Amino acid sequence: KAGVTQTPRYLIKTRGQQVTLSCSPISGHRSVSWYQQTPGQGLQFLFEYFSETQRNKGNFPGRFSGRQFSNSRSEMNVSTLELGDSALYLCASSPIAGAYNEQFFGPGTRLTVL
Amino acid sequence: QKEVEQNSGPLSVPEGAIASLNCTYSDRGSQSFFWYRQYSGKSPELIMFIYSNGDKEDGRFTAQLNKASQYVSLLIRDSQPSDSATYLCAVTEGNTPLVFGKGTRLSVIA
Repeated sequence: KAGVTQTPRYLIKTRGQQVTLSCSPISGHRSVSWYQQTPGQGLQFLFEYFSETQRNKGNFPGRFSGRQFSNSRSEMNVSTLELGDSALYLCASSPIAGAYNEQFFGPGTRLTVL
Repeated sequence: QKEVEQNSGPLSVPEGAIASLNCTYSDRGSQSFFWYRQYSGKSPELIMFIYSNGDKEDGRFTAQLNKASQYVSLLIRDSQPSDSATYLCAVTEGNTPLVFGKGTRLSVIA
């Protein structure tokens, strides 16, 4: 069974631009969560989608948004990029919402904002 | 605000020794506890989860939970150089989002 895939793997943007990251969950998984990982703040929850509905949202500004499609694939968007948005963005999927014991992470997208 | 605290390390142990990683959490309502291993440049990988007070063993790994003390630990027996990684503790209250600690860096010296 293929794992969680994320595209692109690396991205360089400049301040003020926007970016869209993509995540394809494991086949059969309907829940997708997004996390931001930085050296200073560690791994922080962004949002979770299940059956195309945002189920939970972390404490991030409105510049961070996401969506989930009917095939469970998910995208997250960051608008008006700031230097502090440089991070590893991780997507994780699980069969159902909140099934963290069955949650698998993708390889991540490394975003650098210049 | 829910907090999960871990000593950042590095924790250095000799090969074959027991590595003990600790984590404390602030929310008394926390119900589920997870340990992840993250190699440098890689994504986190779930290695253990525990829901009830006491010990849970899986191979060389043992998770220990003490809800009264709000404390969860991970023991790695017969540590190997391949165990060198950052270990993340994560906590959730039911189906609420995971709250992660910042991780403890473990170095196993051959």
